[in-house]
Amino acid sequence: EVQLLESGGAFVQPGGSLRLSCAASGFTFSSYAMSWVRQAPGKGLEWVAAIIGSGGSPYYADSVKGRFTVSRDNSQNTLYLQMNSLRAEDTAVYFCAKEEDYFFCSGDCRHDYWGQGTLVTVSS
Amino acid sequence: SSELTQDPAVSVALGQTVRITCQGDSLRSYYASWYQQKPGQAPVLVIYGENNRPSGIPDRFSGSSSGDTASLTITGAQAEDEADYYCNSRTSDNHLVFGGGTRLTVL
Repeated sequence: EVQLLESGGAFVQPGGSLRLSCAASGFTFSSYAMSWVRQAPGKGLEWVAAIIGSGGSPYYADSVKGRFTVSRDNSQNTLYLQMNSLRAEDTAVYFCAKEEDYFFCSGDCRHDYWGQGTLVTVSS
Repeated sequence: SSELTQDPAVSVALGQTVRITCQGDSLRSYYASWYQQKPGQAPVLVIYGENNRPSGIPDRFSGSSSGDTASLTITGAQAEDEADYYCNSRTSDNHLVFGGGTRLTVL
């Protein structure tokens, strides 16, 4: 059974940093691209970042480029999101999601499994 | 990056057919995927590609596309289909974009 379990969400002040983790199980982690998607309270889904199966070729939304870094440790089956220079508008539930392909959005973008999310609150 | 536009809310009578649309330039080049999200839950993939359903998704869900518009159709809507529905697609600059979401109410 595929499982994705996010952790690391917390209350942090503006300008602070946080690292989210997503522990994966039930599939060959290194064979699939992974994404982070966030959802602000009462709002829609927003793609944040993605990384291909090998850990190379990260991709970022314009809203987080230069502040967030996506990485993965395939030996530990874990996906990470390092978030720096946090802003109030980064407040959201952060989901990790598995793609059905090694590469990010090759053809179409389809995420077949999602974690339950971890809440990040940025406030003074 | 391009945008995807969805109607904020749609309603359907129990057992009737409803179409939820998603419009954007990226859909001229790439297929949309569709996700269902119920309150407090993670999104669930319901349609991807030309018209493909993941295992476990009822066949009352179907997808189609024409020009810059993708559609999700629910034929014979059930009470459990009441949820938020999101489309997404890749863009030409290797981003992933989501539509704003459509809240479906089953009357």
